[in-house]
Amino acid sequence: SQTIHQWPATLVQPVGSPLSLECTVEGTSNPNLYWYRQAAGRGLQLLFYSVGIGQISSEVPQNLSASRPQDRQFILSSKKLLLSDSGFYLCAWSGLANTGELFFGEGSRLTVL
Amino acid sequence: GEDVEQSLFLSVREGDSSVINCTYTDSSSTYLYWYKQEPGAGLQLLTYIFSNMDMKQDQRLTVLLNKKDKHLSLRIADTQTGDSAIYFCAERIGGSYIPTFGRGTSLIVHP
Repeated sequence: SQTIHQWPATLVQPVGSPLSLECTVEGTSNPNLYWYRQAAGRGLQLLFYSVGIGQISSEVPQNLSASRPQDRQFILSSKKLLLSDSGFYLCAWSGLANTGELFFGEGSRLTVL
Repeated sequence: GEDVEQSLFLSVREGDSSVINCTYTDSSSTYLYWYKQEPGAGLQLLTYIFSNMDMKQDQRLTVLLNKKDKHLSLRIADTQTGDSAIYFCAERIGGSYIPTFGRGTSLIVHP
């Protein structure tokens, strides 16, 4: 069966520090991968998605970046965090099924102080 | 405005039915989804409906789709405290692999 893992689950970082959130998927090949952010009291904001290794599409301009160094690995990074980067970050994957549902990780809570 | 809209809160008494509503704007939506998010966790797919269907039932869940009005609803029968969560409506247009999510409806179930 397919599983998705993301870590760390909780992170408290000072303003200006770097960030690295990692997500891996097991049990499937060539998944579409997504990074979402969920700010308090708001819905899901799509940050990045990827259809293959090295292929990253950005949905919003910001100081975050994403990389996909391996087929089932998706990394969210920042060189210098801002206060506004605080939020709940969710990684997700989807496969080739026509139904197109997304499977989400458990999320990473980032607090920037 | 948003492509997918939902009310932000719904409060029900335990044992009653809950109805969460959603409207969308794109008539070419192919699949419509309901996801559930429990506190501090990721989203889990509850159910989905294909656009050529009017209704789908799965145990306590009933999904109704009105394509003419672009309205989707999720009915939870015999609502339990464990159903307290945020429920997200989402749509996906054929040919796109990126769903559009609503802002989520917080369902609060009280005794």
